[in-house]
Amino acid sequence: DAGITQSPRHKVTETGTPVTLRCHQTENHRYMYWYRQDPGHGLRLIHYSYGVKDTDKGEVSDGYSVSRSKTEDFLLTLESATSSQTSVYFCAISSGGRGSYNEQFFGPGTRLTVL
Amino acid sequence: AQRVTQPEKLLSVFKGAPVELKCNYSYSGSPELFWYVQYSRQRLQLLLRHISRESIKGFTADLNKGETSFHLKKPFAQEEDSAMYYCALSGNTDKLIFGTGTRLQVFP
Repeated sequence: DAGITQSPRHKVTETGTPVTLRCHQTENHRYMYWYRQDPGHGLRLIHYSYGVKDTDKGEVSDGYSVSRSKTEDFLLTLESATSSQTSVYFCAISSGGRGSYNEQFFGPGTRLTVL
Repeated sequence: AQRVTQPEKLLSVFKGAPVELKCNYSYSGSPELFWYVQYSRQRLQLLLRHISRESIKGFTADLNKGETSFHLKKPFAQEEDSAMYYCALSGNTDKLIFGTGTRLQVFP
């Protein structure tokens, strides 16, 4: 497996509380991505980063924010968690770019439950 | 708009039967397509990409631009092929567009 870890691996929280998920890589890849995986929806992109302090929104970014202060870390924050954000969250990394170069390597996932 | 469609949520076959997981895409440019697989309790991993034109674990996929399809095929399914399969499209952005996935169940 590529050097990607996610923490925590499991979390149960209550509606309205802030939650931060961490993705850490040791591959020095430029691109990092956050997805959520839900039955019937597959993988949907939340936010991604194309460099330190460079981020952009994905398909389902509402209610989420991200930060990348170092190449190796990409944080996903739910400012005020809602039950609709109960999901499995995956981080992915890529060395670059577009087309056939966009092979992404995935972390193990974080299962988040919002009560 | 870029889109990937996997019409089957679940595909069940018996061991030794042929398998075809369907993937159709929508993209006006020249696409790069991938198949990812997620085995139970494992992380998502790349199975194959169309540009490689290779067979991985007995699976192949051919890009058909006329039908805008990239179906995944295997002539003889094995029980260990049971997994979730995602088709993904890379166009002219730094993002991958994933389909909704197809769960393959191979019965003994």
